[in-house]
Amino acid sequence: EEQLVESGGGLVRPGGSLRLSCAASGFTFNRHSMNWVRQAPGKGLEWVSSISGSSDYIYYADSVKGRFSMSRDNTKNSLYLQMNSLRAEDTAVYYCAKSTGGLVPTIQVGWFDPWGQGTLVTVSS
Amino acid sequence: QSVLTQPPSVSAAPGQKVTISCSGSSSNIGNNYVSWYQQLPGTAPKLLIYDNDRRPSGMTDRFSGSKSGTSATLGITGLQTGDEADYYCGTWDSSLSAYVFGTGTKVTVL
Repeated sequence: EEQLVESGGGLVRPGGSLRLSCAASGFTFNRHSMNWVRQAPGKGLEWVSSISGSSDYIYYADSVKGRFSMSRDNTKNSLYLQMNSLRAEDTAVYYCAKSTGGLVPTIQVGWFDPWGQGTLVTVSS
Repeated sequence: QSVLTQPPSVSAAPGQKVTISCSGSSSNIGNNYVSWYQQLPGTAPKLLIYDNDRRPSGMTDRFSGSKSGTSATLGITGLQTGDEADYYCGTWDSSLSAYVFGTGTKVTVL
């Protein structure tokens, strides 16, 4: 069974940093692009970042570009999101998701499945 | 602000059918595959439809997807109380080099 488990969320002050992790199992990790998606309280889904299987290509939402850094360690089947200069508007549940297929030549972003259970990040003083 | 527009809510009686629209542009829906996700209250999103109209293995055929031009549609037939959830469309936007989700639609079973 394919499974994703996020960790690392918590309470952080504005301007602070946090590193999220996502542990993958049940599939060949290095063959798939991976993603972070967040959901602010009571709001819709917002794509954050995607990374190709070999880390050759990484894409970010404009809202996090320059502050967040996505990476992966294929030897550990793990995905990471380093979040710096955090703002109140970054408060959200952060999900990692495996992606497959699609028509983009550099990265597989056809569909997201499965998703992790999410980890809550709260940015507040 | 999302580039994919969905109606905020739809509703119908048990056993009836609902459709949810997802409107985009040539840089996203018009030239990429659309997928649909169901998010039950307090849970992570779940894939319903991929590649515009394909269902994952084991997914009930009560859910269907279609695409025409720059719009996509999710259909749910034989509505059940367990279908009450938020539904999102998603696709890659080639101009933004970003994945985009729809604004989300809440389905209510009357």
